Amino acid sequence: DTGVSQDPRHKITKRGQNVTFRCDPISEHNRLYWYRQTLGQGPEFLTYFQNEAQLEKSRLLSDRFSAERPKGSFSTLEIQRTEQGDSAMYLCASSLVGGGSLNYGYTFGSGTRLTVV
Amino acid sequence: ELKVEQNPLFLSMQEGKNYTIYCNYSTTSDRLYWYRQDPGKSLESLFVLLSNGAVKQEGRLMASLDTKARLSTLHITAAVHDLSATYFCAVASFSMYSGGGADGLTFGKGTHLIIQP
Repeated sequence: DTGVSQDPRHKITKRGQNVTFRCDPISEHNRLYWYRQTLGQGPEFLTYFQNEAQLEKSRLLSDRFSAERPKGSFSTLEIQRTEQGDSAMYLCASSLVGGGSLNYGYTFGSGTRLTVV
Repeated sequence: ELKVEQNPLFLSMQEGKNYTIYCNYSTTSDRLYWYRQDPGKSLESLFVLLSNGAVKQEGRLMASLDTKARLSTLHITAAVHDLSATYFCAVASFSMYSGGGADGLTFGKGTHLIIQP
């Protein structure tokens, strides 16, 4: 397993366009998290899934943001009608919860850097 | 709402010196994480602290957790240039959906550490 993969690594888009990012978690991990990190700040939690169920989405920044994990494996984060303020690094993380696991760690991907021009 | 405060936010120090980074958080939690981030890179897990009084050490870094004081420290001993990075603490929060795991992590703003040769 190569860890958490995110694609693309970089995305430049024009204001008003829609963008979609993909995250492939560690295969045996059942939880997947999305964060946003702006320059000089710590990551900000957006949403997370356990398998295909989205357990928390109230922290998504606006209704322009949505996330899916249709088969409980990879996930996508979509931003509609992008704004310049959406420019940030979008990080994905995964973890294994339950089943007797005592590993409380999270593995982060390398992130997708979004620039809205 | 959980708030996490780190200090200092910026630290410049000389090789060979000792220093401590502090992380205070506002609500009860017994799960605290320390991460390292190099410029343009993702987050590297350093420590997971799971109970009051937990202490973990790896090389020149040592982390501790006092859940009663809601305080964690990251101590750097005899700093070397390779430890230059941004260090984040993050606190896990829990809800009715958390199950055996946690909801997302709330991060501090990070401590930007520069170690001068």
